[in-house]
Amino acid sequence: QVRLEESGGGVVRPGRSLRLACGASGFTFTAFGMNWVRQAPGKGLEWVASISHDGAKTYYADSVKGRFTISRDDYSNTFYLQILSLRPEDTAVYFCTRMSSAIHTTPDYWGQGTLVTVSS
Amino acid sequence: DIQLSQSPSSLSASVGDRVTITCRASQGITNYLAWFQQRPGKAPKSLFYAASNFQSGVPSRFSGSASGTYFTLTITSVQPEDFATYYCQQYYNYPHTFGPGTIVEIK
Repeated sequence: QVRLEESGGGVVRPGRSLRLACGASGFTFTAFGMNWVRQAPGKGLEWVASISHDGAKTYYADSVKGRFTISRDDYSNTFYLQILSLRPEDTAVYFCTRMSSAIHTTPDYWGQGTLVTVSS
Repeated sequence: DIQLSQSPSSLSASVGDRVTITCRASQGITNYLAWFQQRPGKAPKSLFYAASNFQSGVPSRFSGSASGTYFTLTITSVQPEDFATYYCQQYYNYPHTFGPGTIVEIK
């Protein structure tokens, strides 16, 4: 079965960097694009970034453009979210998701999430 | 950016009631609209893509429909496990915006 497992969250000081990882199993990793979605405490869902199945195309929310980088490692079936210059407003649970298909790029499967807390 | 609004923002229902949630897009998105369910403290679960296509494991009491820029999620007979927050998302273009959510509570 499809499984997505995030790691790398924690408490980080403002201005520092962090790399989130999402390990994937149960499907052909190279056939699917992936997304990151976040949810601030008590708030709604916010799409953050997407990467195509071959890594050739990446997309970012304006709120994170220039600070976040999404990438993938097809050898280890892992994709990443590198976060630079963390801000308090980046505090959220970060979910990794698989795209339903190349056409329907909305999530079909979700990980359980990893909490990032930005605080001094 | 495409904006999504949802109505109502919250509702109370009894087990067995019919529940309808509406999502409106600020511009045409054809049928590139998805629905998600999120129970408290849990990861979201995908319900529909392309407005009315079931994701895996979704009970048949759920349905999705579309009319122009209006999209509807219906639960024909709400069950205890359906009390949750529901979100729509457009993926017609980037950024893939979410609606603000609709909370479905037990009456």
